[in-house]
Amino acid sequence: GQNIDQPTEMTATEGAIVQINCTYQTSGFNGLFWYQQHAGEAPTFLSYNVLDGLEEKGRFSSFLSRSKGYSYLLLKELQMKDSASYLCAVMDSNYQLIWGAGTKLIIKP
Amino acid sequence: SQTIHQWPATLVQPVGSPLSLECTVEGTSNPNLYWYRQAAGRGLQLLFYSVGIGQISSEVPQNLSASRPQDRQFILSSKKLLLSDSGFYLCAWSVGTGHTGELFFGEGSRLTVL
Repeated sequence: GQNIDQPTEMTATEGAIVQINCTYQTSGFNGLFWYQQHAGEAPTFLSYNVLDGLEEKGRFSSFLSRSKGYSYLLLKELQMKDSASYLCAVMDSNYQLIWGAGTKLIIKP
Repeated sequence: SQTIHQWPATLVQPVGSPLSLECTVEGTSNPNLYWYRQAAGRGLQLLFYSVGIGQISSEVPQNLSASRPQDRQFILSSKKLLLSDSGFYLCAWSVGTGHTGELFFGEGSRLTVL
C-alpha cells in the first residue's frame, strides 16, 4: 500500500530552527509537496520538490531524497505565526496526491 | 486572480438528513476540481475529482455523491447523512494533473452529524 509518515506533533522555541521529516512509500513518484494548515483553516501551498536536493524559499526550505523516500521541511527563525500543522503529500504515478496525517508544530515563546 | 469559495462554512445536521455543499472557482477556465474530507489525526482523503463538466471520479465508495453542472461549480451531496460523515470538507482546484499539481483550497466546511 501507499504510506506517508510524519511525526504527529513537534514543539520548538520562537527564533529557533525546526526540521519536520516525512518518509514515503508510494507507487511511483511525481513530486512531493508541503502545505501549511492553521487550525480551522484550509491548507496553503509551501513547496514542491521533484528532484533531489534542497529548495529554499525565505525562512522555509524543503529537501528531497528520492532514493531514500525522504523529505524534510526546515523552518528557520521561527515565529509564533508558524504554529500550524504541516502536511506532506506525494504525487504518485497516477498523478494522485497521497497525504500524510500532518505534523502539528507548537511554537513556544 | 483566481479565487475559490465554498459554503456553508459550518453546518450541523441530523442523521438521515440530506447534504449539499457548494464550491465555485473564479478567474480560471476548465480547472480540475476536488472534494476532500479531513478527519482529526488523519491525512486528507480524496472523495471525488473532476476534470470537466459532468466528469466525476469517485475515490471512496460511500453515501456521498458529487456533480459538476458548470465548468467552475462543484457540488457535494448526500441523500442521507451518517454519523461517520462528520468532518472538515475541503474543495480544491488545480490547473491540471501532470502539472506541478499545486492545489488551491477553499475555506472549508465543517460538518457535524448528530
